[in-house]
Amino acid sequence: DTGVSQDPRHKITKRGQNVTFRCDPISEHNRLYWYRQTLGQGPEFLTYFQNEAQLEKSRLLSDRFSAERPKGSFSTLEIQRTEQGDSAMYLCASSYLAVPNTEAFFGQGTRLTVV
Amino acid sequence: DAKTTQPTSMDCAEGRAANLPCNHSTISGNEYVYWYRQIHSQGPQYIIHGLKNNETNEMASLIITEDRKSSTLILPHATLRDTAVYYCIASFKLTFGKGTLLTVNP
Repeated sequence: DTGVSQDPRHKITKRGQNVTFRCDPISEHNRLYWYRQTLGQGPEFLTYFQNEAQLEKSRLLSDRFSAERPKGSFSTLEIQRTEQGDSAMYLCASSYLAVPNTEAFFGQGTRLTVV
Repeated sequence: DAKTTQPTSMDCAEGRAANLPCNHSTISGNEYVYWYRQIHSQGPQYIIHGLKNNETNEMASLIITEDRKSSTLILPHATLRDTAVYYCIASFKLTFGKGTLLTVNP
């Protein structure tokens, strides 16, 4: 297993377009987190899944954002009608629930640029 | 969920120990302290975590005060490659904060 994988690594899109990012967690990791990180700031929590259930969403996750994890494995994060303020690094992390308080492992992120 | 407070930046000489403090005065009894670091444009890298006992691994040591209101990450022999932003968090469901930019100088 090579760790958490995110695709694409970079995405440039025009304002108003929809974009979708994919995250493949470490095998058997049943918790999956999404974060957003802008320049000079730490990662901001967006949402997390336990298996296929989305258990918590940050108020940062506006109606234009939606995340899914249909089979409890990979997850997608979609942004509709992108705005320039959506330009950021989108990070995914996963952890293994069966080991309490275990650490989460991060992917390398998807860098979104909205022009 | 506890918030954490860290200094904005620190410097350390190469080969010396780097001691990075973190304040988490509102941490609850069952919340662990996790440390990550992030090198420019990469995803955060896990370093170490602990509850109340001191912890050590191949990367670092973690010292947690007895009242659990603060902790210190120790990099025993800092190298230039340890230059990064270091984050201390108590929950993955929180924003990380800005962390501490550690600069290791030759």
